[in-house]
Amino acid sequence: DQQVKQNSPSLSVQEGRISILNCDYTNSMFDYFLWYKKYPAEGPTFLISISSIKDKNEDGRFTVFLNKSAKHLSLHIVPSQPGDSAVYFCAASGVNTGNQFYFGTGTSLTVIP
Amino acid sequence: EPEVTQTPSHQVTQMGQEVILRCVPISNHLYFYWYRQILGQKVEFLVSFYNNEISEKSEIFDDQFSVERPDGSNFTLKIRSTKLEDSAMYFCASSEGARGHQPQHFGDGTRLSIL
Repeated sequence: DQQVKQNSPSLSVQEGRISILNCDYTNSMFDYFLWYKKYPAEGPTFLISISSIKDKNEDGRFTVFLNKSAKHLSLHIVPSQPGDSAVYFCAASGVNTGNQFYFGTGTSLTVIP
Repeated sequence: EPEVTQTPSHQVTQMGQEVILRCVPISNHLYFYWYRQILGQKVEFLVSFYNNEISEKSEIFDDQFSVERPDGSNFTLKIRSTKLEDSAMYFCASSEGARGHQPQHFGDGTRLSIL
């Protein structure tokens, strides 16, 4: 069951530059998407979400883009900071998935000072 | 900021023993969840709970597992007769409302090690 995929296990970015994390999904019924950030020894922390009625949602340095036709979403972090170094998970849910979220396998972001 | 708290942070148990993982969801949240993450794998949904009953469960959540809200604050996951493959991080989460575009807020997890 790979309904949500994050194909890049890791990403390194220089401080101040843009980080772009990608996520693909297969279930066309997904209509709510989230990004979580996870530090070691902590639980996932909710970062930003987007519903399928939008194609962009922005919160400070974080912007999520949704391309429904491509079943693709991305998280942009601008400017990247060393404290952003963490594992980022995308998650999705839809009208046919009830209350559960499907998670990707995560992308480990390292922001180099 | 309110948070979900989980205890213990690490549980070591002999195979075949029962284990109870505890969670205190955010106080005004009505929906509660358990997820697990086996080392190196993705976070997987186990069960959701609302109004004192299970609202959904995954294929992973078999008869070995049960959940309970024994009082107004705690939410527990019991694993009977643990197996080696139950070793994982177990995350509790809660949300204010149902799936209708409500983020789930996670605790820091309990690392369960089965020997």
